[in-house]
This record gives sequence, C-alpha cells and structure tokens, in this order.
Amino acid sequence: KAGVTQTPRYLIKTRGQQVTLSCSPISGHRSVSWYQQTPGQGLQFLFEYFSETQRNKGNFPGRFSGRQFSNSRSEMNVSTLELGDSALYLCASSLDRGGGTEAFFGQGTRLTVV
Amino acid sequence: AQTVTQSQPEMSVQEAETVTLSCTYDTSESDYYLFWYKQPPSRQMILVIRQEAYKQQNATENRFSVNFQKAAKSFSLKISDSQLGDAAMYFCAYRSAASGGGADGLTFGKGTHLIIQP
Repeated sequence: KAGVTQTPRYLIKTRGQQVTLSCSPISGHRSVSWYQQTPGQGLQFLFEYFSETQRNKGNFPGRFSGRQFSNSRSEMNVSTLELGDSALYLCASSLDRGGGTEAFFGQGTRLTVV
Repeated sequence: AQTVTQSQPEMSVQEAETVTLSCTYDTSESDYYLFWYKQPPSRQMILVIRQEAYKQQNATENRFSVNFQKAAKSFSLKISDSQLGDAAMYFCAYRSAASGGGADGLTFGKGTHLIIQP
C-alpha cells in the first residue's frame, strides 16, 4: 500500500510570504503529525491532527497552523515566513493516537526561505 | 517535559562489526514508549525498533537490539553484523503512554550519524 506522501518535495519562498504544505497519510490512518527538522534544533513537534481536530500543538508561534480534512489528508500553513523557517518539514501518519502506535513518515518537504 | 539526549554526534564502524549507539532520556512518567528511527539520505524516517517501558525484556529486531535500563533512563541500540545499508542518521525518540500519546508527540534526540567503513 502507498506510503505517506508529502507535496511539494522542495519549495523556495521569500520572507514575508506564506506557504502551504500537504500530507496524504497511509490509507486508513486517522492521525497525522507534523515535525520541523533543522540542523540547529533537530526534530521538533509542530502539531497533531486526529479526526479533523487539532489534538496537540508544539511550542511554535501562531504563524504555524494546520488542518485535517475528512479524508485524513492534512495541510500545514506558515504565514509571514522568516529565514529561520527554512527547514525540512516531516509529516507522520498513524493508525490511531496511542503512544506506542507506529508513526510512518513521509520524505518531507524541504522549505527554503530567502 | 521530557528530554532525549544522544551524546555521540557521529560513530564509525567496520562492515560486519557491531556498534552501539547511546541514548539517555529524562521523564517523570512511569509509562512510555521508546523508539529508534533511522533516517537515510532519502530523508524518510524509518522505525527500527520500539520498546515499551513496562516491559523489562529488551526488544530485538533481527540484527538490531536494545539495552533498556529504566532506572538509569538509558536506551542504547546495538547493531550487529553492520551492513553498508545501515549507514544513516539514527534518532532516539520518546513518547508518553498517556491517553492519546501525551501532548508532545514524539520527542527526538539530536541524532547520531552512523558511518559504515567497507
């Protein structure tokens, strides 16, 4: 079965712009989480969606937002981009929200802000 | 909040040898899950092995095994018979066993870059 699909794979944006990243989870998975990966901060939890509701949010400013659709696909949006938002954004899908449930990751979207 | 520490930024091992990657964590919870993820150059994170904190038996998956020391809050990964395909970044991760997996998703360490020498 198809894995987690993230689009686009690469993105270059200018400071001040906004961006939307997309994640299609594995079929049947209802939980989608987003992570930001940078060389300095490593992997940091952004937020988690389950059944179209944001369940948890990491320590990121309000410029970072997301949503989940009825088919479990998720999008994250970053407004008023800053240079520091340059990162690899990873999406992970899980069957449910249990702590031990395996998270399957996509290949990420590499965002560069210039 | 919990933290995960990987003290080895880089490790190198000869092909077919055994290597151990270290991980320590800090938490006030008694029930949780620990994971090792592998991230090859393709960037896709792949689950290597999972350990449930309430299980004393160390998890094993083929050539991969862990040494879980709950009291010491230590969770090391041993890779036996290292292969060229094992070369990657390895991340240790923690997740609460609280309802819904806790509020913080997966908490990752900074990673260890594993180099396999042919």
